[in-house]
Parts: sequence; C-alpha cells; structure tokens
Amino acid sequence: TQLLEQSPQFLSIQEGENLTVYCNSSSVFSSLQWYRQEPGEGPVLLVTVVTGGEVKKLKRLTFQFGDARKDSSLHITAAQPGDTGLYLCAVIQGAQKLVFGQGTRLTINP
Amino acid sequence: NAGVTQTPKFRILKIGQSMTLQCTQDMNHNYMYWYRQDPGMGLKLIYYSVGAGITDKGEVPNGYNVSRSTTEDFPLRLELAAPSQTSVYFCASTSTGGLQYFGPGTRLLVL
Repeated sequence: TQLLEQSPQFLSIQEGENLTVYCNSSSVFSSLQWYRQEPGEGPVLLVTVVTGGEVKKLKRLTFQFGDARKDSSLHITAAQPGDTGLYLCAVIQGAQKLVFGQGTRLTINP
Repeated sequence: NAGVTQTPKFRILKIGQSMTLQCTQDMNHNYMYWYRQDPGMGLKLIYYSVGAGITDKGEVPNGYNVSRSTTEDFPLRLELAAPSQTSVYFCASTSTGGLQYFGPGTRLLVL
C-alpha cells in the first residue's frame, strides 16, 4: 500500500483554467513537501508545509496542509503551459529519507 | 559548484550483465541517497548513507549494492541486471536538516 495517495494521476486542461491536485494519507506527518519534475530532470522542491492548516503561496501556486496534517493540496490558478510536469508530494522520514507519492502528471494545453 | 553529478546518462544492459552507476556531490553533504523511478511513478528509495562507511537499505534494495568510501562518492552496483531494473535512477544528497538535491538521473534499459 502506498503511504501517500495522489489524485488525479493524470490531468490535462486548457491554458487559463484552474486546477487542484491532492495528496492524501491515513498517517499524520510533521511536514510535507511538494516537488515538480520535468522530463529528463530530477525533482525540484517547490514548498515545505509544516503546520496543520498552513497555506503557502508561490506565485500562482497555493499549497495547503490539512488541519490534521494527513493531507495536502496544490491549487494552480490560471494554468500556463510552463506548469506542465509531474507533481510529487513527499514526506521526510528518518535520516532525511523521502517517501514519495506516485505523482500527478499535469499537461497544460495552449 | 556542480552539485550532484551522475554518470552515465543512459545505458543499455543485457540480462545478467553488471554495471556501476556513479554519483558524486561537491557540497560536503553527509547524507546521500539512491532512488529509482519507474515510468509515470514517484521515486522509491533503494539505499542511503548517512556518512562515509555507513550505508543502509531503503524500500527496494534487492538486486543492488552500494558503498560509501568517501563523503563525495556513492556508487550503486547492479550485479545481475534484470528487466525489472529498467528504470531511471536518481542520486541525491542533503546536509542534516537541509534541502535534498537531486542529480540529473541515469536512464537504464535492461533487455
């Protein structure tokens, strides 16, 4: 069983639309990270959320950590083709090891 | 500052062959990791190291071996390549409590 379940697995929308992707678990975490990965490259950290209910904004991206610290969401406003990529949530375990969800593959069509 | 470098970028192996994936970091990080990523999936931890001479298994260690003789280098060894090991391999490093830096990946195809 997957520790982190991401949904949807695939999402294809038109430029200018809004979208939300989710990362859910039955476990409680002290923090959660979101990464974006582009083809042929390693993941790049977007944000770390640490407090239940926390909301962080990164330009058109809004990240929220659930009140119970079991889930998180990523909302993109007015999506652009440059937002295309694989979005991964991850949690940190002992020795700074990362456990990843399976990812949401996002395609923004011009 | 090169960060985390990996070689080769791409390799095709025949079943049963062996190879070593190289990983080097120049940030003097103690912690290093090997992950594999299957198509369309997240990354899974193979092995990790918290310092020179110390290694431990991750979630999917079978079929792999590692060593850590220096702080900078963390090679991953495949002894008997199998089709199930076709994947993209990422090396990463982090300082204690810090940001995890990923290399560009090695794409491996086992036929």
